[in-house]
Amino acid sequence: AQTVTQSQPEMSVQEAETVTLSCTYDTSESDYYLFWYKQPPSRQMILVIRQEAYKQQNATENRFSVNFQKAAKSFSLKISDSQLGDAAMYFCALTGTASKLTFGTGTRLQVTL
Amino acid sequence: DVKVTQSSRYLVKRTGEKVFLECVQDMDHENMFWYRQDPGLGLRLIYFSYDVKMKEKGDIPEGYSVSREKKERFSLILESASTNQTSMYLCASSLDLNQPQHFGDGTRLSIL
Repeated sequence: AQTVTQSQPEMSVQEAETVTLSCTYDTSESDYYLFWYKQPPSRQMILVIRQEAYKQQNATENRFSVNFQKAAKSFSLKISDSQLGDAAMYFCALTGTASKLTFGTGTRLQVTL
Repeated sequence: DVKVTQSSRYLVKRTGEKVFLECVQDMDHENMFWYRQDPGLGLRLIYFSYDVKMKEKGDIPEGYSVSREKKERFSLILESASTNQTSMYLCASSLDLNQPQHFGDGTRLSIL
């Protein structure tokens, strides 16, 4: 069985500042994939960033980057230069090579002026 | 762009009714998924399908069934709706199981 834990139900960041959302996971598979998804209020869930476990280099997508610590089973999301449009629920998720996607419980990010 | 369309954004039904939630994707994806989303619980997988007429139970299949007669359409069926099935239901599709999933807008279902 695989598990994903997001220990921060809510976070707040000021506009233009940097925030890090935490995620830890557990899996018995050696090959797996990690994702961060964003769900804005009343809007569609979209992919933010994806990381293949076999890649040592941390994935980056514009202002979004991850800190992937494989030995610690940690996969945190860093948002730089936060914008009002970043306010959303953020979900960390994990899948093995042929298994279903497991989601964490989510972190609600608030962006203040 | 992949488009996943769910037939209703909001739905209100009565206890004991048979409820159909429809989902259509336009990218010829093999895999389709149904989740329910509840506050504090994240997304939980109800069922998924990796091919036409094929289905697999997810984590919480009890009280639900699914149908996939055509590749682009995946239906979730509540055989006899109960109040504890009031929730947000999300449909998703993906090309492969380890590829990102594309989500619909969700259906907020209330069972009275």
